[in-house]
Formats: sequence, structure tokens, C-alpha cells
Amino acid sequence: ILNVEQSPQSLHVQEGDSTNFTCSFPSSNFYALHWYRWETAKSPEALFVMTLNGDEKKKGRISATLNTKEGYSYLYIKGSQPEDSATYLCALNLSMRFGAGTRLTVKP
Amino acid sequence: EAGVAQSPRYKIIEKRQSVAFWCNPISGHATLYWYQQILGQGPKLLIQFQNNGVVDDSQLPKDRFSAERLKGVDSTLKIQPAKLEDSAVYLCASSSPAGGRGNEQFFGPGTRLTVL
Repeated sequence: ILNVEQSPQSLHVQEGDSTNFTCSFPSSNFYALHWYRWETAKSPEALFVMTLNGDEKKKGRISATLNTKEGYSYLYIKGSQPEDSATYLCALNLSMRFGAGTRLTVKP
Repeated sequence: EAGVAQSPRYKIIEKRQSVAFWCNPISGHATLYWYQQILGQGPKLLIQFQNNGVVDDSQLPKDRFSAERLKGVDSTLKIQPAKLEDSAVYLCASSSPAGGRGNEQFFGPGTRLTVL
């Protein structure tokens, strides 16, 4: 069984704060890791697909890193804005096993 | 490009009733997924289709859940009979196999099922 763990479960930050959260996964037989952002009442939106150890990807104020040898990925948000409030999910491919997500709330 | 469509968006039924959900993937996407997301948990893959064939249904409770993808396009997911613990959001996603091992999945808005 491939357990994907995310921490923290929830996070409350002030507008302008930078924040980060973690996705942990079994390091054996790694294939790909996906990050998604899921706003309430909307469809989950793909942020990053990461495949190589040491990968670093960036989209605007959001970036992610990947360490397949130790089995973790970090998602960073620089200068959080209220519109960043959402649940951030990671998923391990091939089986598309998702973590439970980190619910981020950014207060104005 | 039109996204993944799902209907209905919300459904309330009583236990032991039957329910069906419909999904229309992005045009040209050969792979279709159904997920169940229970409150407080991550989405759980129920079934994955490649065209109209089943790739993975290991987590589908086959005694009450069934899914089909006739003609390799639209798909329906059925629950018969429903139980209280089936209350969840049912998400459909599709992807194109041309994307390689970093295949991005595109999700629909989901169907929120409440079983009373």
C-alpha cells in the first residue's frame, strides 16, 4: 500500500506571509508526483507534475521541490494572498494515490 | 477547449436507493478516472479506463458500484443500493496518454452525493 501523507492538515496565515507544506511518500518505485489546488465548489486544478529527483518548478508565487530519494516534496507560496485559500493535494502516480490535502486559509 | 463535464452537481437520496453519475471527458482524452472523495480525506481512485477498457478497478466496491464507458467517450458510475457511507464527492478526470509519465489529469467539478 502506498501511503501519501500531507502536513499540516490545515494552515491559517496572514496576507503577505510566505508558507510551505509537505507531501511525503514511499521512495521506492517512484514514477511521478502531482500537485493540485482545489478551491471550494470548483474543479481541482493541476499545479505541477514532478518526475525527477531534484526537480524544482515554479508558477508565479508558487513553487515546488522534489526529493525522490528521501520521499518528500515541498510546496511553497510566497507572499500569500486571500485567493490562494484552497486545499492543496499531492498525488503519487501511477496509482494516483492522493494525500488528504493541506487546507490553506489566507486572512486579509 | 471545453473541460470535463459532470452531472448532476448535487444529488440527495435515501439509503438503499440507486444513483447514477455521468461524465464527459475532454475531447480526445483516452484515459478516464472516477474518484471518490470523502470529507477530510484525499480523493480515492475507484476506476480507471483506457478508451473503453478497464485499467484499474481494484478499489471499486463491486458489490454495489459499477461503471462503464461505452464507445470510449462518456462514462457513467452507478451505485446500487446506496449506503450512508457513500456520501462523498465523486470526481471524474481525464488525461491524454501522449503526456508520458507526467500525465496531467483534468478534473470535472464533481457530483456531491448525500445519502440520508
